[in-house]
Amino acid sequence: GAVVSQHPSRVICKSGTSVKIECRSLDFQATTMFWYRQFPKKSLMLMATSNEGSKATYEQGVEKDKFLINHASLTLSTLTVTSAHPEDSSFYICSARTGSAKNIQYFGAGTRLSVL
Amino acid sequence: SQKIEQNSEALNIQEGKTATLTCNYTNYSPAYLQWYRQDPGRGPVFLLLIRENEKEKRKERLKVTFDTTLKQSLFHITASQPADSATYLCALETGSGYALNFGKGTSLLVTP
Repeated sequence: GAVVSQHPSRVICKSGTSVKIECRSLDFQATTMFWYRQFPKKSLMLMATSNEGSKATYEQGVEKDKFLINHASLTLSTLTVTSAHPEDSSFYICSARTGSAKNIQYFGAGTRLSVL
Repeated sequence: SQKIEQNSEALNIQEGKTATLTCNYTNYSPAYLQWYRQDPGRGPVFLLLIRENEKEKRKERLKVTFDTTLKQSLFHITASQPADSATYLCALETGSGYALNFGKGTSLLVTP
């Protein structure tokens, strides 16, 4: 149980385009989803916390207009990187927590974004 | 500021030995601490959670200790196998909405 699906796994795009990443909880309802970013050989950096039906809470230094998060249902959250630039190239990972095992996060497989 | 420190150097051990990874933290008063495993190009996978009132927790070949006085957790893998090779991450709550802060992780390589 507690499977999180993230798509796409890899995306290559031109500078200036927008990219949408989907995160779905397949067998549970995710009251909260989280979005992280990870650079090579670095730790996961929390970008934002997303609660269903409400605005996302962004961490300090993360541009909310650049990284649009929508959590429209209890099983789906999306991250849109708007007007992507090469410096946005990174590994983006989502996670979700259930209502029962509140402290544990279940992670997607990640999305490797490369902006040319 | 809050910090989570893990040994950044890779740990190389021989198959069958016990691997011990360290997680130290500062400026946290955690109610619990978590360990995750991350394989290259993949998202982390939850392994164990230990609460502040638990000194030790076990799951199969895994053992975690939690010393809130030393502000340290130790993660042990006994009878290690090459399949245990991965990066192991220590995580603590940020204090806001169950979000987690992660250490940089320790890379473990188990050789036959």
